[in-house]
Amino acid sequence: NAGVMQNPRHLVRRRGQEARLRCSPMKGHSHVYWYRQLPEEGLKFMVYLQKENIIDESGMPKERFSAEFPKEGPSILRIQQVVRGDSAAYFCASSPGQGAGQPQHFGDGTRLSIL
Amino acid sequence: DQQVKQNSPSLSVQEGRISILNCDYTNSMFDYFLWYKKYPAEGPTFLISISSIKDKNEDGRFTVFLNKSAKHLSLHIVPSQPGDSAVYFCAAISGGTSYGKLTFGQGTILTVHP
Repeated sequence: NAGVMQNPRHLVRRRGQEARLRCSPMKGHSHVYWYRQLPEEGLKFMVYLQKENIIDESGMPKERFSAEFPKEGPSILRIQQVVRGDSAAYFCASSPGQGAGQPQHFGDGTRLSIL
Repeated sequence: DQQVKQNSPSLSVQEGRISILNCDYTNSMFDYFLWYKKYPAEGPTFLISISSIKDKNEDGRFTVFLNKSAKHLSLHIVPSQPGDSAVYFCAAISGGTSYGKLTFGQGTILTVHP
């Protein structure tokens, strides 16, 4: 999965702390997507961003979660006041444009563990 | 509400034989379908896709079939190789508001025995 870079690969937080997950898309890709995978489940869509714009956040929890994709720098998924249920693998994907013919390419994920 | 379903959690196949992975969907607005392969501790890797205007797409050892009337698609791998052992996810896109949202199935663990 060279190209989409996510860091950190593993993140441990205590309940109530903040978690920041970073994603650098593939070169030339301006569309970024975040997905969450809970244990034994498939990936669930969270949010779709283009540079400086949130296009679709229909999968984002209403509270504590936010995402951005600034003009410069990586996309950030931010989780405030983490709880045990936030423990999951968070995957970022990118594509060069919008359209079904441009498949999303995934990073290797950030495994978030909440103590 | 699980709009994309992979009803077989696992599949075991002998090397050289055909692997058939199945996927059903309920949302008639889906118009593009993709298959991804995932190894442990890695992200999903795109394999093959198919538009709803087609009923078959082939790429090397991988063929995807789409039956729109049955809302069913399948991935055929021939011949299967031990390196194909992984989790396979079916995903779908609706062209409604944006093409950004992939809806995934729960995945099928494929094991190919030497």
